[in-house]
Formats: sequence, structure tokens, C-alpha cells
Amino acid sequence: QQPVQSPQAVILREGEDAVINCSSSKALYSVHWYRQKHGEAPVFLMILLKGGEQKGHEKISASFNEKKQQSSLYLTASQLSYSGTYFCGARGTGNQFYFGTGTSLTVIP
Amino acid sequence: DTEVTQTPKHLVMGMTNKKSLKCEQHMGHRAMYWYKQKAKKPPELMFVYSYEKLSINESVPSRFSPECPNSSLLNLHLHALQPEDSALYLCASQPGLSSYNEQFFGPGTRLTVL
Repeated sequence: QQPVQSPQAVILREGEDAVINCSSSKALYSVHWYRQKHGEAPVFLMILLKGGEQKGHEKISASFNEKKQQSSLYLTASQLSYSGTYFCGARGTGNQFYFGTGTSLTVIP
Repeated sequence: DTEVTQTPKHLVMGMTNKKSLKCEQHMGHRAMYWYKQKAKKPPELMFVYSYEKLSINESVPSRFSPECPNSSLLNLHLHALQPEDSALYLCASQPGLSSYNEQFFGPGTRLTVL
């Protein structure tokens, strides 16, 4: 039930944009996005719900296609602080929560 | 107080030892999670507690034993672990199990089993 993310890794120069995709084979009722820096805990970025409701940081944008069971995270005008591993996450049929496979993002000067 | 604390930060134990990991939150959250994370992998769900009752056990070996003594505290008791159990153990809390609520993570306990 683990969502699959793409790309696995991406390297950007400061100021460039990136899109991270998350795809599930199971129906998605909501999608969560987290960022984890090396040696640190995951930090919440955004939640997207069916019906278009969103909750998260103002500088982060994302989309959720319920029919395709896909979500995308848009990172614009990247900064060095954006570096880390990005995970999408989805709730299972019960109370489980599954993280996606992860996308490593490196922003270089 | 908007943080989740975990102790210890690092733990080294032998395969015959018994140890415990502790997780605490004072945000009034009623759902708490244990995750295991290996290097360069996503966190992998182990247990979910909801209102101090075990809600989910993701087929975790019995050498891991969770306990939720009260709504603020979550323990993970370890016994007879294997070297492959070495990993970062993350605790998270959530106001409730609604899909609208994000999880708040503690800094983790890095466990090494010799």
C-alpha cells in the first residue's frame, strides 16, 4: 500500500523549480507531505483532502487528483533550506499511515 | 508545548538486553505512533495507539512491546533484539486519527543492536 514517488532524486540550483509526484494503487482520501532533513525528524508540509481542501504552509503548493490517485508537490524558487528528503503519506483503510518511497532533493548554490 | 520528546537519543544494546524507549507529548493529542526507519528508507509504521488503546500492530515481532500508560506517554519495550533491528525509531503524535490532522514527530532514538 506504499505510495510510489518520482523522481527518486533531484538536484537543483538555487532559484529553480521542482515537482515531486506521488502515486498510489489504492484509493486516496487524503495525502500528506513531509520533509525530512538528514538526521532529523520528518516535518509537516501540507495535507490535501478529497474535495479540494488543503492545510499547510503558505509557501508550499500541491495538487491532488482524486481520480488518478496522484498528488504533486510544487517547489518554486528553491532555496538551500529546501534540501532534504520529501515523503508523501496516505492513510490506509484502517488507522494505518504509509509513507511514500521518498524523493531526495538537493539544492546547490 | 508543541513538541514530542524522545529518550534516549542514542541506545546501544546487546541481543540479550532489555531496554525501553520513551516518547512524551503534552499537546493533548490522542493518537500516537511508533515508526522504524532504516537509512535512506521511509519511516515504516509499527504501532498506532488511539485513546491509549492499541489500534494497529503492523505484524511487528513480539520482541517489540508497546505500552501507553497514559495519554501523554508512549513506551516501546525491547527484548532479545536482532542486529537487523538497528534503526532510527520515531514517535509521532496526532490530535486524533482524522485525515485532516498532521503528525508531529519526535527527534527519534537511534538504536544499535550488537
